Amino acid sequence: NAGVTQTPKFQVLKTGQSMTLQCAQDMNHEYMSWYRQDPGMGLRLIHYSVGAGITDQGEVPNGYNVSRSTTEDFPLRLLSAAPSQTSVYFCATRFSQGSGNTIYFGEGSWLTVV
Amino acid sequence: GENVEQHPSTLSVQEGDSAVIKCTYSDSASNYFPWYKQELGKRPQLIIDIRSNVGEKKDQRIAVTLNKTAKHFSLHITETQPEDSAVYFCAASIPGNQFYFGTGTSLTVIP
Repeated sequence: NAGVTQTPKFQVLKTGQSMTLQCAQDMNHEYMSWYRQDPGMGLRLIHYSVGAGITDQGEVPNGYNVSRSTTEDFPLRLLSAAPSQTSVYFCATRFSQGSGNTIYFGEGSWLTVV
Repeated sequence: GENVEQHPSTLSVQEGDSAVIKCTYSDSASNYFPWYKQELGKRPQLIIDIRSNVGEKKDQRIAVTLNKTAKHFSLHITETQPEDSAVYFCAASIPGNQFYFGTGTSLTVIP
């Protein structure tokens, strides 16, 4: 049982390049989400999904796309990378959208845009 | 939406002393309040949580208290040890909605 797996762990991009951060989970969780973590700003929600085929925007969605074709996978796409997207990205899952179910984080992806 | 504020942003204590981190939230509908610990370069991991029908919960050296009337909750760590050094995040969750995180507290335990 791997839990939540993120790849890559580290990535350097040039401004304007595109890339996809992968997130896979084997816990059969319905809810998946992406957060970015910046110094002094905590964890901010980018996009989330409550099930296959359903996605929605979080607090800071601009510059990112997501899709949820399967329960297991929730990739995050950077369309045209900008230095402001330099951050640590965490994928997080939860069993259901219902309250009281805590979330589980992947190991994180460190992204630098130069 | 919900707004979670966390204080202090940094905290230094001597080993063996207690540490207290406080969070406030804005939406009275929030009913689940987890705390996460994040060590350097690692993912946030749940250390304790509390639901709105409970006023206090304890797990060995850590405890969380909740005051629903005042909309604040606190993390208490007693007999601190160097391995308690980390960043701690509080969060609040509204039923059927998202988690909203505080901005984090960097705790340093001085041996």
